[in-house]
Amino acid sequence: EVHLVESGGGLVQPGRSLRLSCAASGFTFDEFALHWVRQAPGKGLEWVSSISWNSGKIGYADSVKGRFIISRDNAKNSLFLQMNSLRPDDTAFYYCAKDMFLGGHSPFESWGQGTLVIVS
Amino acid sequence: EIVMTQSPATLSVSPGARATLSCRASQSISTNVAWYQQKPGQVPRLLIYAASTRATGIPARFSGSGSGTEFTLTISSLQSEDFAVYYCHQYDGWPRESFGQGTKLEIK
Repeated sequence: EVHLVESGGGLVQPGRSLRLSCAASGFTFDEFALHWVRQAPGKGLEWVSSISWNSGKIGYADSVKGRFIISRDNAKNSLFLQMNSLRPDDTAFYYCAKDMFLGGHSPFESWGQGTLVIVS
Repeated sequence: EIVMTQSPATLSVSPGARATLSCRASQSISTNVAWYQQKPGQVPRLLIYAASTRATGIPARFSGSGSGTEFTLTISSLQSEDFAVYYCHQYDGWPRESFGQGTKLEIK
């Protein structure tokens, strides 16, 4: 069974940094693309960033480009999101999600429970 | 950036009736679209992928259709547990993906 567990959220002041982690298990980690999706309280889903199995393809939403950095450590089955220059509108639950299929161009089959980031 | 626009924002439907939710892409995305259901306090659940394929364990009353820029999620006979928020998601633009803003399906 796939498990994705996010950590690293918390209360942070505007302009500061935070690093989120997602620990994965239950699947062959280095075969699948992974993603970060966020959801402000009471709002809709917003795709944040994606990374391919080998980190060769990376994408960012315009709202975070230049401030956030996605990375992964396949040896440790872990996904990361380095968030810099945080703003109040970055306040949200941050979910990591796993592709259903290999190679990208895939729906998100599994989601973590999320970690809450509050920028204030 | 591919923009996904869902309509309506809120849909009021009676139990047992049919619900039709729409999603429009700002450019052609073939059939690279998925639909998710999210209930309060829960994470999104994959319902439909490749525009029309039901995910594992999803009841047959959920169906998806469309290609190119116009997509539809239909729930044929609404059950009480179906009232939730629904999102479309395009993954054609990988590694730059996007979600619609959601449609809240509420009891009439």
